[in-house]
Amino acid sequence: AQSVTQLDSHVSVSEGTPVLLRCNYSSSYSPSLFWYVQHPNKGLQLLLKYTSAATLVKGINGFEAEFKKSETSFHLTKPSAHMSDAAEYFCVVSDQAAGNKLTFGGGTRVLVKP
Amino acid sequence: DTGVSQDPRHKITKRGQNVTFRCDPISEHNRLYWYRQTLGQGPEFLTYFQNEAQLEKSRLLSDRFSAERPKGSFSTLEIQRTEQGDSAMYLCASSSDRGHPFFGSGTRLTVV
Repeated sequence: AQSVTQLDSHVSVSEGTPVLLRCNYSSSYSPSLFWYVQHPNKGLQLLLKYTSAATLVKGINGFEAEFKKSETSFHLTKPSAHMSDAAEYFCVVSDQAAGNKLTFGGGTRVLVKP
Repeated sequence: DTGVSQDPRHKITKRGQNVTFRCDPISEHNRLYWYRQTLGQGPEFLTYFQNEAQLEKSRLLSDRFSAERPKGSFSTLEIQRTEQGDSAMYLCASSSDRGHPFFGSGTRLTVV
């Protein structure tokens, strides 16, 4: 069985300051891990993915995430928040033994203050 | 547009009525997934198809729910005798065997 825990349901940052979204996962297999972003009234968009290559993964819009197997974590960071980063972010684990079915975390809503 | 398309975008129905949603995946993708997202929650897996074969169904998918993908292309999700608890966003996604899923914009269902 696999599961994902996003440690913060809401994060508030000031524009230009760093963003950290925390994620811990549990998986019986070598996991594939993803971060998706969901803007209001928009579809889910892939930010980045980890699939057992480099542990530091760079994504779109300046985001990156580091896979730490010893800590079972996959935290998402961005050095400098932009107003357009305000959205809901989901950490996701993929079950490769079941057709790449995705298991989502509960989401972290990011508010960016001017 | 070569993304995943879902129709309708919004559906309001009375309790007890049947509803059907359609998903058109990215054309070369052989895998198709349905998820449900309620307010303030992450999407939850409902079912998935490999070509026309339905390979897995979640326990969330009660007997009132049925999904089909008759020719391995588009898919439909039908809910019979809708209940207020069925109100949610229904998301469709598609992928190739090794790729990550691409999501559609979803169908928002409101049962009144």
